[in-house]
Amino acid sequence: ILNVEQSPQSLHVQEGDSTNFTCSFPSSNFYALHWYRWETAKSPEALFVMTLNGDEKKKGRISATLNTKEGYSYLYIKGSQPEDSATYLCASHLYSGGGADGLTFGKGTHLIIQP
Amino acid sequence: NAGVTQTPKFQVLKTGQSMTLQCAQDMNHEYMSWYRQDPGMGLRLIHYSVGAGITDQGEVPNGYNVSRSTTEDFPLRLLSAAPSQTSVYFCASSTTGIMSQPQHFGDGTRLSIL
Repeated sequence: ILNVEQSPQSLHVQEGDSTNFTCSFPSSNFYALHWYRWETAKSPEALFVMTLNGDEKKKGRISATLNTKEGYSYLYIKGSQPEDSATYLCASHLYSGGGADGLTFGKGTHLIIQP
Repeated sequence: NAGVTQTPKFQVLKTGQSMTLQCAQDMNHEYMSWYRQDPGMGLRLIHYSVGAGITDQGEVPNGYNVSRSTTEDFPLRLLSAAPSQTSVYFCASSTTGIMSQPQHFGDGTRLSIL
């Protein structure tokens, strides 16, 4: 069974500070790593999809890196703002060699930005 | 743009009842899937489809059926509801079945089984 682990489970950060959190996944047969942002009472929204070792993606103040050889990805938020408060999900796809299969999600990191 | 539309948003059922959760997308996406969200757990894949007429099981398929007669619609059926199926259900779609494409999620259906 494929396990995707996220740490920490929750995080309180002062407004203006930068922060980061981790997603770890089995490195064998890796195909893709996804990050989603999930605000309360809304649906998860895609941030990044990364497939190559060493990939770095950036969207505004949020960026992500990927290390497929050791099986981890970091999500960084620079200069946190209250609107960054959300649960951040990562998910990995293990290529089955056959059908499309699906994503295995971690439990998420719940980020609270304190004014 | 509607995106992925799920109905109903809320539903309460009695044990043993059946119902269908509807999911429709207007983006001409080939890949559609159903996940359930339970407290303390990540989203878990129930069933998925890579195109009309093709469906397959995910991690937790027991107690659920799906069909994909059109590209747009991917309904999830509970044949005989059980309290263990109390959960929030999310439908998602992407352009292809290859997992390098971002998933577009619906707003979810909150289902309670009494």
